[in-house]
Amino acid sequence: ILNVEQSPQSLHVQEGDSTNFTCSFPSSNFYALHWYRWETAKSPEALFVMTLNGDEKKKGRISATLNTKEGYSYLYIKGSQPEDSATYLCARNLYNNNDMRFGAGTRLTVKP
Amino acid sequence: NAGVTQTPKFRILKIGQSMTLQCTQDMNHNYMYWYRQDPGMGLKLIYYSVGAGITDKGEVPNGYNVSRSTTEDFPLRLELAAPSQTSVYFCAGRENTGELFFGEGSRLTVL
Repeated sequence: ILNVEQSPQSLHVQEGDSTNFTCSFPSSNFYALHWYRWETAKSPEALFVMTLNGDEKKKGRISATLNTKEGYSYLYIKGSQPEDSATYLCARNLYNNNDMRFGAGTRLTVKP
Repeated sequence: NAGVTQTPKFRILKIGQSMTLQCTQDMNHNYMYWYRQDPGMGLKLIYYSVGAGITDKGEVPNGYNVSRSTTEDFPLRLELAAPSQTSVYFCAGRENTGELFFGEGSRLTVL
């Protein structure tokens, strides 16, 4: 994998459902993996920065895991709410620890 | 309020015109970035800077230039605007935690 890839591209769930999506990235020269939440007409906001293989972070109902050896990270949302509707972006430092590249995002829509 | 400030928020340009998108921050960020938002493509890195006087190309630098004469300011210049440069541009500074802190964005339309 040469670039940061996210799947699925979009996701529609019902309120109360739990959901997860994937970020895949080059495993070589890994420095850090970031997750951002991006609401329509706003700026992206940081959720997590993860650096260690096996790292697991949690913020309220949202959590993330990291596997640097195989080059993937999962973002989990437990009990989705309509206010969770947003695009979720992941990014990693590619080539060096300064060049931050983003995936195309997963657009989540939570229906009441 | 402390943060990353972008100006202008909206601008319409004619093909061939030039302009500068301003970005200034008061959060003591050494690292600063310019991204453009392409539909369905997320954010594409244009240029970044690791400190005053140092800039580097990102994924899509063609048609753009940057400078970093001070730590606070990181302007992005379009010399000959083209329709392909119609986009929303985001400037960001990097916190000590590694997180990027974004400005509110500048929407540019080239007609």
